Amino acid sequence: EVQLLESGGELVQPGGSLRLSCAASGFTFSSYVMRWVRQAPGGGLQWVSTIGTGGDRYYADSVKGRFTISRDNSKNTLSLEMNSLRAEDTAIYYCVKALAYVFDIWGQGTMVTVSS
Amino acid sequence: QSALTQPRSVSGSPGQSVTISCTGTTGDVGAYNYVSWYQQYPGKAPKVMIYDVTKRPSGVPARFSGSKSGNTASLTISGLQAEDEADYYCCSLAGSSTWLFGGGTKLTVL
Repeated sequence: EVQLLESGGELVQPGGSLRLSCAASGFTFSSYVMRWVRQAPGGGLQWVSTIGTGGDRYYADSVKGRFTISRDNSKNTLSLEMNSLRAEDTAIYYCVKALAYVFDIWGQGTMVTVSS
Repeated sequence: QSALTQPRSVSGSPGQSVTISCTGTTGDVGAYNYVSWYQQYPGKAPKVMIYDVTKRPSGVPARFSGSKSGNTASLTISGLQAEDEADYYCCSLAGSSTWLFGGGTKLTVL
């Protein structure tokens, strides 16, 4: 069974940093594109970042220069390093396994709160 | 990178059909046949219901169908059931490996 388990979300002050992790199991992690999607409280879904199987990276304009996506295929782990956090980054962050042009399998999410 | 436009809410009675629209631009919905639709229950993760505009993943009921005309994609749910009450989001490739989601539509089964 494919499973994605996010961790690392917590309360952080504006300007602070946080690292999210996603532990993947049940599939050959290195063979799939992986993405992060976030959802603000009571809000809609927003694509955040993608990392390809070859390590190519893409970011939404709202996080470019502040967030860094990475993957460790030896540990089946996806990460998102978040710096210079703002109140508007407050959201549930979902780790997503991609299948071609589909957001195929979603984790349960980890909550990030940016507040003083 | 503005969100795709969806109605905030739609409703229908059991057995009826409802259609949810998703309007983008010539740079996203109109440019690619990579529109997908996601169902989300409160407090749960989203689940893909339609991909590549019209395709249904294994296990998704045939009551769910998708289409596209120009810059607008649509999700139609036929034979509405109580369990279909949820939030629905459209998503489209927007070029350069970036993605746009719609603002979401709350479906109420009366």
